[in-house]
Parts: sequence; C-alpha cells; structure tokens
Amino acid sequence: DGGITQSPKYLFRKEGQNVTLSCEQNLNHDAMYWYRQDPGQGLRLIYYSQIVNDFQKGDIAEGYSVSREKKESFPLTVTSAQKNPTAFYLCASSPTGAPHYGYTFGSGTRLTVV
Amino acid sequence: GNSVTQMEGPVTLSEEAFLTINCTYTATGYPSLFWYVQYPGEGLQLLLKATKADDKGSNKGFEATYRKETTSFHLEKGSVQVSDSAVYFCALSERAGGTSYGKLTFGQGTILTVHP
Repeated sequence: DGGITQSPKYLFRKEGQNVTLSCEQNLNHDAMYWYRQDPGQGLRLIYYSQIVNDFQKGDIAEGYSVSREKKESFPLTVTSAQKNPTAFYLCASSPTGAPHYGYTFGSGTRLTVV
Repeated sequence: GNSVTQMEGPVTLSEEAFLTINCTYTATGYPSLFWYVQYPGEGLQLLLKATKADDKGSNKGFEATYRKETTSFHLEKGSVQVSDSAVYFCALSERAGGTSYGKLTFGQGTILTVHP
C-alpha cells in the first residue's frame, strides 16, 4: 500500500546535538512538507519542497534544515540552533498542481530533549 | 493572506449528542476546503473535503457544506461516539494562480471529547 513512513516514532536528543528525522513516501507525490505541532497548538510549517533539489522555508525554519535529493525522501535535521525542539513532527506529501487533493500525512515523530 | 478560524475548544459531549464544529475562512478566489482528524499520538487523516461552492463532503457520518456566501465549512455529525474523540482541523488549499498554490492553511484545531 502507498503511504508515508516517518521514523523513528520516538527520538531523544541531548543538548547541543543534531538529529535527523526520516520521511519516505511511495505515493509518487512531487510535493513534501514538514510541520511542527506543540501541545494544544495547531500545525506550523517548517519547510516544504515542490520538486527534487528545491525547497523553501516555511514559517518557523530557524534551527532546522532539509534536503530533497530524491523524490521519495525529505529528511529534516533539527540542529543545535533550535532552542526548543521538543515537539511532535509531522511529514506530509501531495501531488503538485492538485489543490483539491489535500495532503497525506505520516504518523509523526515525537522528539524530546533530554 | 489566507486564514482559517475554528471554534474554540475543547468540546465535550455525551455519546449520541449532535456535534457542530465551526470553521470560517479568508481566502482569495475559490479555495478547496478540508477537514482532517488526528487521533492521540497519530498523524492527521483526511476526513472529508469539498472543492467548490455548495459541495457537501461526507464520511463516517460527518458532513460539511462549502458555503461561499458565509465563507464557512462547519463540521457536523448527528450522533457522536466515544471513538470520535480526537482533534479536528479545518484547512483550505488555494487554487491555481494564488501565491500559496498547493499549500494547505490549517486552523488551530478543536479537541473533541465524547463521554459514554
């Protein structure tokens, strides 16, 4: 079955450490997105990519980095510059040029700073 | 820019009660509208959608009608179950030609708790 796989489901980060969250999709979607969700809050867009080798900053990109070397993969790195990284991270994808389609979401990664 | 406003939560209901979660939007042109549901510890799942004015989206007993004149897309269900307890998000996607084409704009989410 097609879908989006995020790994790991739970991740612990030490102070000053970079960590990378994986997002893989087999839906043949061109566009991919990373969101951050904090308790009791909505979704905030971190980065998005509409085509391979291209990506744009979202609303809260500081302290994060991404790459899009393959259509199927859009990993997110949470760097040591992100001062408050504890949150639930969601990856999503959609076909480009299909605004009526909506997004398909992964099951999320919960990141905790220890 | 585009925006989505949902009713303040949390919403607490007894089983078999009627549910309404209000959603209004601001957008240029004619956006597509969506409702997503998030169960505890999981990602978001598409619940229903509507792509043009007066369309009614429906799924699993939930319904929402695209009202252009009131810029609204309220979610309703006639008889809720305990298993409907989740967070519900309203969202819009701008049509071709807009500056945010292809991106979804989400509301802040409404927590629904249904008691037996």
